Amino acid sequence: QSALTQPRSVSGSPGQSVTISCTGTSSDVGGYNYVSWYQQHPGKAPKLMIYDVSKRPSGVPDRFSGSKSGNTASLTISGLQAEDEADYYCCSYAGSYTFAVFGGGTKLTVL
Amino acid sequence: QVQLQESGPGLVKPSQTLSLTCTVSGGSISSGDYYWSWIRQPPGKGLEWIGYIYYSGSTYYNPSLKSRVTISVDTSKNQFSLKLSSVTAADTAVYYCAALRGEDWYFDYWGQGTLVTVSS
Repeated sequence: QSALTQPRSVSGSPGQSVTISCTGTSSDVGGYNYVSWYQQHPGKAPKLMIYDVSKRPSGVPDRFSGSKSGNTASLTISGLQAEDEADYYCCSYAGSYTFAVFGGGTKLTVL
Repeated sequence: QVQLQESGPGLVKPSQTLSLTCTVSGGSISSGDYYWSWIRQPPGKGLEWIGYIYYSGSTYYNPSLKSRVTISVDTSKNQFSLKLSSVTAADTAVYYCAALRGEDWYFDYWGQGTLVTVSS
């Protein structure tokens, strides 16, 4: 069982927006602004999409955005494209004993 | 642009020790910018952080694996390594090495991953 809870799957049509949630506790997501999101296509390594809750690395389209409210972080993908179909994982700093915890992953299907 | 590449045996027998090495290119492992990490992903499952090593040699291990994990660094070769002892089938996974940005706690760069199967 993963430390952070994500929906197993979400779906949307091209051009639509989808939001993936990532729920933790006050000891991880709620306690620090160190939430990151990773995109993983089948057979590939994860790729950083969002860090520090809402910052985008260079090269990541601005269709990807992140936010946080309380113990829940969210990744929103607007203007869905076929290439966005992938698994998405959230990760949060969780203090100096556990350090980093991942969510169980969400499979995004573009219909 | 930092690049990472895992290497090591793809098959390990139960009860033996899994050993992997990650070679870093495009940057110095001694730069102090990153915590050099190992992450694994069992087939069809999610990501699990194993631990990290800093260039100075300081380490941190996931409490759930701590008794079996050793991570070491060789700055002269720009490499860091993972050893996982007493493996079982549950340790079968794709193992990734990654560069963890310690200031903001995110995994900036990842290796391509290597599948390690535990089987007799």
